[in-house]
Amino acid sequence: QKEVEQNSGPLSVPEGAIASLNCTYSDRGSQSFFWYRQYSGKSPELIMFIYSNGDKEDGRFTAQLNKASQYVSLLIRDSQPSDSATYLCAVRRRNNQGGKLIFGQGTELSVKP
Amino acid sequence: EPEVTQTPSHQVTQMGQEVILRCVPISNHLYFYWYRQILGQKVEFLVSFYNNEISEKSEIFDDQFSVERPDGSNFTLKIRSTKLEDSAMYFCASSQTGDGYTFGSGTRLTVV
Repeated sequence: QKEVEQNSGPLSVPEGAIASLNCTYSDRGSQSFFWYRQYSGKSPELIMFIYSNGDKEDGRFTAQLNKASQYVSLLIRDSQPSDSATYLCAVRRRNNQGGKLIFGQGTELSVKP
Repeated sequence: EPEVTQTPSHQVTQMGQEVILRCVPISNHLYFYWYRQILGQKVEFLVSFYNNEISEKSEIFDDQFSVERPDGSNFTLKIRSTKLEDSAMYFCASSQTGDGYTFGSGTRLTVV
């Protein structure tokens, strides 16, 4: 079983729609969860992180965490063509500052004009 | 906005040669990391560095790898004897608090 699993996609949505990206993780001891965006050939950029069960909103982005189901998701509202990228889910195993991140394979998102 | 700077952007080296990848983390950051990404694969953790010492390293980070913070601003990754399978994009990252860190633009290492 992969430590952090994402559907590789590509996920295609029309401009203005909601894109929903999902991630599951295997280690129940995981405490911190991160979403990064990676454009082709570029480095990962942090979108947001979430620690507690429930929703966390930041602009057009909402992260959702359900620790009981070991599930994290990212919703992108009003998707734009510039959102087309690979979205990486990352998990930190322990609630220690500075701990390593375990990344998923990433989901490729394509937003069609 | 502060950036993590990596040099060079692309390095080509012959198998068996030593390479040093350089990074300048954001100035007030305390936690430093190296990750790598083989083409088409996921981002993998190599090593973390805090308080002038390695705090954690992965199985990938064997005796061929070393890190150094020689002067309080630079953070380097050395690969002593490169192998073909070391070809990858190497990312340096830094964080002030240990949360959600900032990645550099990466060094593409090609071993031939």
